[in-house]
Amino acid sequence: QQQVKQSPQSLIVQKGGISIINCAYENTAFDYFPWYQQFPGKGPALLIAIRPDVSEKKEGRFTISFNKSAKQFSLHIMDSQPGDSATYFCAASSDGNQFYFGTGTSLTVIP
Amino acid sequence: GAGVSQSPSNKVTEKGKDVELRCDPISGHTALYWYRQSLGQGLEFLIYFQGNSAPDKSGLPSDRFSAERTGGSVSTLTIQRTQQEDSAVYLCASSSAATGKDTQYFGPGTRLTVL
Repeated sequence: QQQVKQSPQSLIVQKGGISIINCAYENTAFDYFPWYQQFPGKGPALLIAIRPDVSEKKEGRFTISFNKSAKQFSLHIMDSQPGDSATYFCAASSDGNQFYFGTGTSLTVIP
Repeated sequence: GAGVSQSPSNKVTEKGKDVELRCDPISGHTALYWYRQSLGQGLEFLIYFQGNSAPDKSGLPSDRFSAERTGGSVSTLTIQRTQQEDSAVYLCASSSAATGKDTQYFGPGTRLTVL
């Protein structure tokens, strides 16, 4: 059973556009929601993370929106750039010991 | 080294053979994780080590999989009698917070191909 459901599987965005990736979860015990960015041949790297006590977190062009009642969270990439082309994973954890990952979104930003 | 390192970067083996994958975490990191990444799938949790505590092995898919961590540092993931469905990228990550909620730093992974 997939603990964290991620969509879309792939996304193509024009340079300068907004990329939006969505994740949903069922376990209300989850209290830490990170997003990871992965380039080909590399391991994932933490991009931004949020805890459920806030509804939004912004770091530069990257924003997480969190809806606790809907059990959904999303990543918004503003002013998307070709260098943002990568695979993005959302994840969730309840005790920090085991992380559940989404299936990933392949983002392509067209120049 | 500055980051998590894994070896080998690529491993091709024949069905039925045993393989060992190595992870060198960031020095001082007490938590170490192993994940499996299959094509089109997310990261599948395999096992978690935290300090000297007993490891959380709840993600290991079968008894052919085992892992150890010597001296609280280097970890080895062993897959016995490999099967074609074991083909995947095996990722290791380490973190420094006692709760495990700190940033996980991932290695580049080992791509395993079972023929």
